[in-house]
Amino acid sequence: AQSVAQPEDQVNVAEGNPLTVKCTYSVSGNPYLFWYVQYPNRGLQFLLKYITGDNLVKGSYGFEAEFNKSQTSFHLKKPSALVSDSALYFCAVRGRSGSARQLTFGSGTQLTVLP
Amino acid sequence: DAGVTQSPTHLIKTRGQQVTLRCSPKSGHDTVSWYQQALGQGPQFIFQYYEEEERQRGNFPDRFSGHQFPNYSSELNVNALLLGDSALYLCASSTEGTGYREQYFGPGTRLTVT
Repeated sequence: AQSVAQPEDQVNVAEGNPLTVKCTYSVSGNPYLFWYVQYPNRGLQFLLKYITGDNLVKGSYGFEAEFNKSQTSFHLKKPSALVSDSALYFCAVRGRSGSARQLTFGSGTQLTVLP
Repeated sequence: DAGVTQSPTHLIKTRGQQVTLRCSPKSGHDTVSWYQQALGQGPQFIFQYYEEEERQRGNFPDRFSGHQFPNYSSELNVNALLLGDSALYLCASSTEGTGYREQYFGPGTRLTVT
């Protein structure tokens, strides 16, 4: 069965500093990987995805993520954090065939950017 | 361009009752997926509908059922409600063409079972 691990429940960073939110995954075959953000009492908002090709993926609002196949990781990064980036972030994985095609989410990481 | 819409926003039901939640996908999308998000957890996949048929199903009991209409909108039905069914129910839409597309989520329906 496929799975996603987000090892940090909470990440705190000062405004203007770089931020990293960690994600590792397990899936059969090559993965599709995603990051979503959730603001309070809202649905999930798509940030970026890795399908194939370049390991560094750029997404919305200045976020990027690096796919590392050997470490089965897909960490979310941003060079300079904003207070408005404070939210709940979810990593998700999907396989490419059969039952693995369903989207599996991690438990989420609460990012707080301190002014 | 309207995004994914869900109704109702909030719902309070009693144990043993039945509930129906509704979802309209983003314009141009033909696939609808449903997720359950319990408090403090990530979304859990319930099932996915494409061409009016259930195509994938997660680890949820048969009390959870769904339907997709010809206009691609969808319903999630839950029978014999349990206290543990209290959660945010999210609908997501996408297109399943030659390549994989990201899912777009609605704002969710908050279900409280008392």
